[in-house]
Order: sequence, then C-alpha cells, then structure tokens
Amino acid sequence: EAQVTQNPRYLITVTGKKLTVTCSQNMNHEYMSWYRQDPGLGLRQIYYSMNVEVTDKGDVPEGYKVSRKEKRNFPLILESPSPNQTSLYFCASSFIQKGTYEQYFGPGTRLTVT
Amino acid sequence: AQTVTQSQPEMSVQEAETVTLSCTYDTSESNYYLFWYKQPPSRQMILVIRQEAYKQQNATENRFSVNFQKAAKSFSLKISDSQLGDTAMYFCAFIATAGGGADGLTFGKGTHLIIQP
Repeated sequence: EAQVTQNPRYLITVTGKKLTVTCSQNMNHEYMSWYRQDPGLGLRQIYYSMNVEVTDKGDVPEGYKVSRKEKRNFPLILESPSPNQTSLYFCASSFIQKGTYEQYFGPGTRLTVT
Repeated sequence: AQTVTQSQPEMSVQEAETVTLSCTYDTSESNYYLFWYKQPPSRQMILVIRQEAYKQQNATENRFSVNFQKAAKSFSLKISDSQLGDTAMYFCAFIATAGGGADGLTFGKGTHLIIQP
C-alpha cells in the first residue's frame, strides 16, 4: 500500500529534551516536506527536500533540523524543544519529475512540549 | 511570496445542498498548481481536487468541482449533493513550480464546513 508513515503519532516531552520524528514513504517520491498545523494558522512549511542530500528552509524553520540521507526517509529533529513547538506535525511527499506535485500526507504527529 | 486567503472560517449547510467554498491567492508566478485538501476529524489530510494553472478547463472529481478564474486569482470549490461525510476542514493550497522544481505548499487558514442532517 502506498503511504507516508510517521512515528511517533503522539509525543509528550519536556523542554530541552532532544527528539526526532521519523517520516518514511514507499512511493519513490523525490520531494518530501514537513508542515506544522496550529489553530487559526492553517499549515505552515518547516523544511522541504527536493531529493537526497538536498534540503531547504520553509516558512518556519527556526528550532528544527532535517536530513535526507535516503530517498524514502526525512526525519524532523528538534534539538531543544520549547513549548511554542507544541503542534500537530505532518510529513508529506510527492513526485516532482512526473509533474503532478500533489502531496501525500502522513497521519500526523501530535507533539506536546511542557 | 505567495499568499492564500480563505475568507469563510466556517460554513453550515443542509445535507443534499450545494455549497461553494471560496479561495483567493496572490502570486507573481506563472507556473503553479492549486489544490483543495479535506481534513476530517481524524486529522488526515486528503486531496480533494487539483488544478493546473495552465489548464483553462475547470477540474471535476465526482461531486467536487472548481471554478478557476486565473485573472482574478480565484479558486473556489463547489460541493454538490453534500453528504454528512463532507463535514471537515477544507484547505486551499498553492504550489509554484518554476524550473521543474517546487518549494512547498502554501495553505489558506481553512474553512470549517458543517453538513447538517
């Protein structure tokens, strides 16, 4: 089944404790991206990657890191989480070369930082 | 920078009625795609419909259709014969595709659509 998976789905952590949210897709998509969703703000892009070893900042990159060592994986790293990073996070992927650009989303990760 | 505006925070209609959700966008790009995504209470993001900017014909997917007015930068979604399962948040989204690449989706803030029985 074609899908984007994220782990964990729910996470409660404390300020300053490093964490990683994993994202994996099995559709051989070149493009992967992370978004955060906050009430009243819609979804905002954090980072994206056009292909392996190619990443770029989105609209709200502060406090986050990413890496793209393999085509299928795009982990999101919070080195020192803070309460303002409490949010719902989505990973997404899509083809670029095939020119469709429609992004397939993972199920979301609900992060709470206390 | 692109912006996407959804002017209706919430709408409510009766089952079987037709409803139109509005979306306007602002961009200086000439190559782009527009999307409507549905987010039901499960929080899953589901693609409803896609429109390529270079296509004049409005996209249609079963009960869902769009009215794409490129000059006016308007991209509304029409849902015909609305069903209870259509109750969800609906997001309009834009992606510029210059040079064969893409940056990311820019989303509107969403419209909460409620279908009443």
